[in-house]
Amino acid sequence: DQQVKQNSPSLSVQEGRISILNCDYTNSMFDYFLWYKKYPAEGPTFLISISSIKDKNEDGRFTVFLNKSAKHLSLHIVPSQPGDSAVYFCAASDPSGTYKYIFGTGTRLKVLA
Amino acid sequence: GAGVSQSPSNKVTEKGKDVELRCDPISGHTALYWYRQSLGQGLEFLIYFQGNSAPDKSGLPSDRFSAERTGGSVSTLTIQRTQQEDSAVYLCASSHPPPIGRSEQFFGPGTRLTVL
Repeated sequence: DQQVKQNSPSLSVQEGRISILNCDYTNSMFDYFLWYKKYPAEGPTFLISISSIKDKNEDGRFTVFLNKSAKHLSLHIVPSQPGDSAVYFCAASDPSGTYKYIFGTGTRLKVLA
Repeated sequence: GAGVSQSPSNKVTEKGKDVELRCDPISGHTALYWYRQSLGQGLEFLIYFQGNSAPDKSGLPSDRFSAERTGGSVSTLTIQRTQQEDSAVYLCASSHPPPIGRSEQFFGPGTRLTVL
């Protein structure tokens, strides 16, 4: 049972345009969400996070939106750059004592020059 | 500063053999997590350490998998009698203890395990 879902396995966007990556979750107890970026042969690196007390968090070109009623979050990248091409993972932090991350299956973003 | 390191970076083994994967977390990080990524899958949680104890082993897929952590630092993930379905990238992450550490886990580069 996939608690965190990324239904788009891939996305292609022109350089300079907006990239929108989507993520859905099923457990209403989740209260903290993160986006990680992964390049080939490297470990995932943290990008941005959001707590459920907020509906938006912005960091430079990256903005994460959270819609709790829809159990949906999205990552916006504006403007997209070729260096943004990577696999993006959405994750929820398990609110139990371990706070382990529950990841989606990832979306491969390709930014075309 | 040094990040999370893992060794080996690649491991090819024959079905039925045992393998050991090593993780060196960031100094001072008491929380350590093992995940794996199988082909076409997301990152799947395996086990969580706080210090040397493992309060959450719920993600270990079978009793062939075990892990230990010594001195609150290095961790070893052992897979006995490997099977082809164990082929995956095994990732280690460390962080400050929860709840502070929930804000970011730092990942190593992973060990790519191939079981022939």
